[in-house]
Amino acid sequence: DVKVTQSSRYLVKRTGEKVFLECVQDMDHENMFWYRQDPGLGLRLIYFSYDVKMKEKGDIPEGYSVSREKKERFSLILESASTNQTSMYLCASRGQGTDTQYFGPGTRLTVL
Amino acid sequence: QKEVEQNSGPLSVPEGAIASLNCTYSDRGSQSFFWYRQYSGKSPELIMSIYSNGDKEDGRFTAQLNKASQYVSLLIRDSQPSDSATYLCAVAVLAGGFKTIFGAGTRLFVKA
Repeated sequence: DVKVTQSSRYLVKRTGEKVFLECVQDMDHENMFWYRQDPGLGLRLIYFSYDVKMKEKGDIPEGYSVSREKKERFSLILESASTNQTSMYLCASRGQGTDTQYFGPGTRLTVL
Repeated sequence: QKEVEQNSGPLSVPEGAIASLNCTYSDRGSQSFFWYRQYSGKSPELIMSIYSNGDKEDGRFTAQLNKASQYVSLLIRDSQPSDSATYLCAVAVLAGGFKTIFGAGTRLFVKA
């Protein structure tokens, strides 16, 4: 059974804090993605990675960075959290040459 | 113009009816097309993918693709209350890599 896990379901942080969101997949997938989901805007791609230590900017990378030191783990970093980064964050993975993305359960982040 | 557009709904249908969900996309180079279902508080899960013009059926679900009109639809026959969810249309494009763009989703309510 495929599995993508995220470190927290709910997170509350203060403005200016550095925030780490972790994602782990057990499917040996090459591709991993970070999205944020906001009402009326759908899923927007923040960053993705197609290999260890490789990363590509998505549509809204500003204020975020990522790290992929191991194939199974993809981390999203908010360098200095701001209130407009309050959102649902979804991690996904996809195998090479396949179309299906498997999503983690999501992390609802609130920045106060 | 949004790259993938969906009517946000809500779309309300009685149990047993056909639910019709529609999506348009702007990139004529789009390669693959997907429908994801997302229950409230859960992450998206893939229910249908379609790659060529025409219809593709899977149980009570039928996906329809018309590349000339840049239009994708999902029909749900014999709708059940358990089909009540948000349905996300997604389109894969080649843009410096394989990238999936999601619509904002259509909320479907199936009334018992």
